[in-house]
Amino acid sequence: GDSVTQMEGPVTLSEEAFLTINCTYTATGYPSLFWYVQYPGEGLQLLLKATKADDKGSNKGFEATYRKETTSFHLEKGSVQVSDSAVYFCALSDPGQGAQKLVFGQGTRLTINP
Amino acid sequence: EADIYQTPRYLVIGTGKKITLECSQTMGHDKMYWYQQDPGMELHLIHYSYGVNSTEKGDLSSESTVSRIRTEHFPLTLESARPSHTSQYLCASSDAGVGQVGVLTFGAGSRLTVL
Repeated sequence: GDSVTQMEGPVTLSEEAFLTINCTYTATGYPSLFWYVQYPGEGLQLLLKATKADDKGSNKGFEATYRKETTSFHLEKGSVQVSDSAVYFCALSDPGQGAQKLVFGQGTRLTINP
Repeated sequence: EADIYQTPRYLVIGTGKKITLECSQTMGHDKMYWYQQDPGMELHLIHYSYGVNSTEKGDLSSESTVSRIRTEHFPLTLESARPSHTSQYLCASSDAGVGQVGVLTFGAGSRLTVL
């Protein structure tokens, strides 16, 4: 079945550091890929998405590129802020497996120190 | 401004009690979902609905039940709570429109503790 694997956390960085959170996926069809973010005490929010190979999703300084050849969708940000501290989830939606059901990775907790 | 509301946000109850977690959305979305989030943060789909009078079990087996009598309302019920039900429960909804596949709006969650 479909699956999403994220890099092990937690991740701790200093403010203004460069961030990468790795995400790889396995899917039978041609999935859409997503990053969701969960701030403390809240539900998840969509951060960015990409629906086909080589698409780049971007939002709030975060970027991720859909790489079909490496089945990856790594999240990057050039200069993180304390307010970016949250849990980040990579996810996929596979049209062949019920398009409206998301498969989530295990989440990566990010802490940014001032 | 929240478009999907979950109540209660926090609930502590004793074993054997019946509980209902409420979820309502004001966006007119046809599709609604319940996820269980364990302490390790992993999310598991336990129920979903594609419209009124439609409910399906998700990927993780759950002793809870759901109903969808109105588009905007998707409550989750546990008939007899046990300590193993202690978890955070997240409700979500989505639009069926083109380009919206996989775009879910989540509520803030209901954190349940069963003693």
